[in-house]
Amino acid sequence: DVKVTQSSRYLVKRTGEKVFLECVQDMDHENMFWYRQDPGLGLRLIYFSYDVKMKEKGDIPEGYSVSREKKERFSLILESASTNQTSMYLCASSLGGQGASTQYFGPGTRLTVL
Amino acid sequence: AQKITQTQPGMFVQEKEAVTLDCTYDTSDQSYGLFWYKQPSSGEMIFLIYQGSYDEQNATEGRYSLNFQKARKSANLVISASQLGDSAMYFCAMSTNNAGNMLTFGGGTRLMVKP
Repeated sequence: DVKVTQSSRYLVKRTGEKVFLECVQDMDHENMFWYRQDPGLGLRLIYFSYDVKMKEKGDIPEGYSVSREKKERFSLILESASTNQTSMYLCASSLGGQGASTQYFGPGTRLTVL
Repeated sequence: AQKITQTQPGMFVQEKEAVTLDCTYDTSDQSYGLFWYKQPSSGEMIFLIYQGSYDEQNATEGRYSLNFQKARKSANLVISASQLGDSAMYFCAMSTNNAGNMLTFGGGTRLMVKP
């Protein structure tokens, strides 16, 4: 079974703090993704990565950065957390290559920024 | 551009009955994939079923089947013999080669199973 894990299920941080959200997958997938999910706005792609040390901006990258130093790990970084970044964050991974590939999701991190 | 539309914000179904969740899509690509995910209140997005645009047969996975009507651009999810544990949000999603295999999600349908 594909397993995607995220470092925390719930996280509370203060405005201005630097926040790290970690995601690890154990299926040797090339692609990894970070989404945020908000009521009424659905899932929105923040960043994705097709390979180690490679990253691409998604639909809403402002205020975020990412790091992929190892194939299995994809980190989302909030350089200076703000209250409008309070959200559910979902990580996903999928096989690379041509053609549609199923994305498998982690359990999510509910981040609250006070 | 790709678009997924789920017109049912919420639905009720009686336990043990079948239910159909609607999904229509819009794309100009010939090659694409359609996915359904389940999201219980815990928040995890669980993959349920996949249908490729060139697949001739409708996909099935246990109690889940996908009613794929290509000409109508619809990919409805059918859940047979509903169980209380099926209560959740359900998302239809699509990926296309020309969009770099990024997933486009619909707005979701909240399914509530009544005992």
